[in-house]
Amino acid sequence: ILNVEQSPQSLHVQEGDSTNFTCSFPSSNFYALHWYRWETAKSPEALFVMTLNGDEKKKGRISATLNTKEGYSYLYIKGSQPEDSATYLCASSGSARQLTFGSGTQLTVLP
Amino acid sequence: GAGVSQSPSNKVTEKGKDVELRCDPISGHTALYWYRQRLGQGLEFLIYFQGNSAPDKSGLPSDRFSAERTGESVSTLTIQRTQQEDSAVYLCASSLGPAGANVLTFGAGSRLTVL
Repeated sequence: ILNVEQSPQSLHVQEGDSTNFTCSFPSSNFYALHWYRWETAKSPEALFVMTLNGDEKKKGRISATLNTKEGYSYLYIKGSQPEDSATYLCASSGSARQLTFGSGTQLTVLP
Repeated sequence: GAGVSQSPSNKVTEKGKDVELRCDPISGHTALYWYRQRLGQGLEFLIYFQGNSAPDKSGLPSDRFSAERTGESVSTLTIQRTQQEDSAVYLCASSLGPAGANVLTFGAGSRLTVL
């Protein structure tokens, strides 16, 4: 069973600030890394799936990087907006079918 | 359907009763996952279906929990003799294939409260 850790657990930022969070995972037996956004009262929504060391993905103001050798991924949000407030989940898989989630980073963007 | 549907959205039950939670995945998605989130905790894997079979049920917490999938479609998670520690949001997700490199599409969840 993988141990996926996310930090910080929660974060408050002002509107317009840029921010980033960390996801760490066992680097041995790596298969893929997922990021999801989970807004209150909604379903978790996929942001990125990354598989290769050095991968960088971008979606609007949100981007993510992956380092499989050292076992971490960063999620960046540029110019945070109140609508970015959500819990950001990462999940790592060590095989084609097993996906283990971290506990999430709860982001609150203050207007 | 267009998304993953789960029912009921909320269920309050008394300790000792059985409950059934239903998941309708996206049509054509062969993989189906059940997770749960208890208060203050992360998403906990319960079971994975590929088609109608469950190659990984390692996350089911006890023999009170069971799940089945039929027609490579609907899945039902059954909890017998519910306990207070079963209170959680139960999330179902489906994907085109095993979740390793395939995006999961989640339902809105079933919130179970055991009194």
